[in-house]
This record gives sequence, C-alpha cells and structure tokens, in this order.
Amino acid sequence: NAGVTQTPKFQVLKTGQSMTLQCAQDMNHNSMYWYRQDPGMGLRLIYYSASEGTTDKGEVPNGYNVSRLNKREFSLRLESAAPSQTSVYFCASSERRQGNYEQYFGPGTRLTVT
Amino acid sequence: EDQVTQSPEALRLQEGESSSLNCSYTVSGLRGLFWYRQDPGKGPEFLFTLYSAGEEKEKERLKATLTKKESFLHITAPKPEDSATYLCAVPFNSGYALNFGKGTSLLVTP
Repeated sequence: NAGVTQTPKFQVLKTGQSMTLQCAQDMNHNSMYWYRQDPGMGLRLIYYSASEGTTDKGEVPNGYNVSRLNKREFSLRLESAAPSQTSVYFCASSERRQGNYEQYFGPGTRLTVT
Repeated sequence: EDQVTQSPEALRLQEGESSSLNCSYTVSGLRGLFWYRQDPGKGPEFLFTLYSAGEEKEKERLKATLTKKESFLHITAPKPEDSATYLCAVPFNSGYALNFGKGTSLLVTP
C-alpha cells in the first residue's frame, strides 16, 4: 500500500500561471482533504470531500478549486497563482464513519509562486 | 469558535530529560483529540486518538493523556530521534476535517 501519494513534490510558478496538484489514496477511504501549511500558521483546511461526488469549502478556499475525480483521487487547482499561495500543500484521507476521524497524510507538494 | 492551542511553541531537551507538551482545546462536544508527529519535509504521521477524559495511550517513549480541557503528550527519556514537530487536532464541528494547533517543535540533543 502506497497510502496517500501527491504529485508533484516541488513546483515553481509565476504569478498568474495555473496548475493542478494531484492526490491519490489506495486505502479505500471515503473522505479526502486538502490543507496548506505555512510557518507560524499551522495546517489550514482548504477544501474537503466527505464522499465521492461531494466537495465543501474549508477555512481558506479563496483562489482554489477542487475536483473529486473518483473515490481514489482528489485534485486541487490554482487557476491564477499568487505569491500568497506559496506554501506546502498536503492531501489527506480518512474513512467516513461515526467515531473515526483519523486522517492519513501524503508527503506534500512544495509550491513557490514568484 | 473552536480553538486548539499548543504550548510551548518550541522545546529543547537533553537526551533522557523527560517533559510534556500541552494541547488545550475549546470545542462543544469532543469527538476525539488527535496527536501527529511531523518530521521536516514530510507529511504529518498519525500517533494517537483520545476520545474521553481520563483516557491514556502509549507508544514507545510517548504517552498521551486527556482531560476535559486539554491533552498532554508526555515524553519519557527522549532520544534525538524523537526530535520533530508534534501537532494536535480536533474535528471541526461542521464535519470530519481536523482543526490543527500550530504545533510544538521538539529538539532533543545528545
């Protein structure tokens, strides 16, 4: 089991460029999440997908869009990158059943917007 | 508003010097408190879940405890390989996503 995988590992963009961060999990989890991590701010939730076919905004959704492609895959899109989106992005997944909220994280994508 | 606060922000210990990290939370109706370890350049790694006051869980040199207002991560006789950032989190009231504290950066020196 690979767990949660993310591509790419590193990316440099220029302001205004677009890109999609990919995430896949092989644990048959129903729920998937995108977080960003910035120094001094901790992990903040961008978007999540409670189950296939649904997506919801988190704490900091502005400037991002997501697609739950199927049960395994959840992508994050930056339509017009801004320097404020320089961050480390983590994807996570969890089962969606009462009383179980443990999340498992991918290795992250380090994004720099110049 | 749900809040998770961790202290201290950073902690430096000598090898073998035991200590505790604190996570205080304000949520209505706790549905679990989660501890994660994060090494530099990696994603958070799940350690423990605690569900009710009085509950304790152990893993090697780590023991997590829970009261109605806070959780402690006790580190007994730490080794340099315990150096990492330790994160705690609680579920948002709105769903299954986790609300994380800012973490405690632990450095254990030989």
